[in-house]
Amino acid sequence: DGGITQSPKYLFRKEGQNVTLSCEQNLNHDAMYWYRQDPGQGLRLIYYSQIVNDFQKGDIAEGYSVSREKKESFPLTVTSAQKNPTAFYLCASRMHRQGFTGNTIYFGEGSWLTVV
Amino acid sequence: EDQVTQSPEALRLQEGESSSLNCSYTVSGLRGLFWYRQDPGKGPEFLFTLYSAGEEKEKERLKATLTKKESFLHITAPKPEDSATYLCAVQASANSGYSTLTFGKGTMLLVSP
Repeated sequence: DGGITQSPKYLFRKEGQNVTLSCEQNLNHDAMYWYRQDPGQGLRLIYYSQIVNDFQKGDIAEGYSVSREKKESFPLTVTSAQKNPTAFYLCASRMHRQGFTGNTIYFGEGSWLTVV
Repeated sequence: EDQVTQSPEALRLQEGESSSLNCSYTVSGLRGLFWYRQDPGKGPEFLFTLYSAGEEKEKERLKATLTKKESFLHITAPKPEDSATYLCAVQASANSGYSTLTFGKGTMLLVSP
C-alpha cells in the first residue's frame, strides 16, 4: 500500500542525547515536511524539502536537523540543543508541480518523543 | 504573516444535532484551504481542498464552504464516529513558487449518543 511510514511510534530521549525519527514515503512525492504538534497549539513547521539534497528551515528549526539524500526518505534528528523536545512529530509529503495551485499534503501516523 | 483562527475550540453535540465549525484566515494570496480530521494519537486525515470563494465540497455528513475571509465545515446529523479534532490550514502564494501550510489550532468535536 502507498503511504507515509514514520518510525518509531514512541521514542524516549535522555537529556543531552540526539535522536532520529524516520520518515519514508512510497507515493513518489517530491516534497516532504516535518511538523511538530503540542497540546493546544496548531501544527508548526520544522523543516521542509522540495527536492533531493535541498531543504529549508521552517518556523521552529532551532535544535533540529534533517537530510534528504533520497526522494523517499526525510529523517529528522532532534539534537540536544532542542530544549523542549517532548511533542508529537508528524511527517508529511505532497506532489510538487511548479505553479500548481494547492497540492494536497498527506501525513504519516506520527511519532511521540518524550524526554526522560 | 498568514494567520488561521478556528472556532470554537471545542464543541459538544448530541447525535443528530447539526452544527458548523469556523475557520477564519488572513493570507496574502490564497492558493488553497484544507480541512483535515485528526483522531487522538494519529496523523491528520485529508478531507477537502477549496481553492476559490464560493466553492463547496461534500463528503458524507460533511460539507465545506469557502468565502474570501473564512471557511465553514458543516456537519449534518453527526454520529459519534464523527468525534475528532478538525484542522483547517491555508496554503499561500509564495514568490519562489513554493509554499507551505499554516494551520489553525483545531476544533475538538465530541458527538454523544
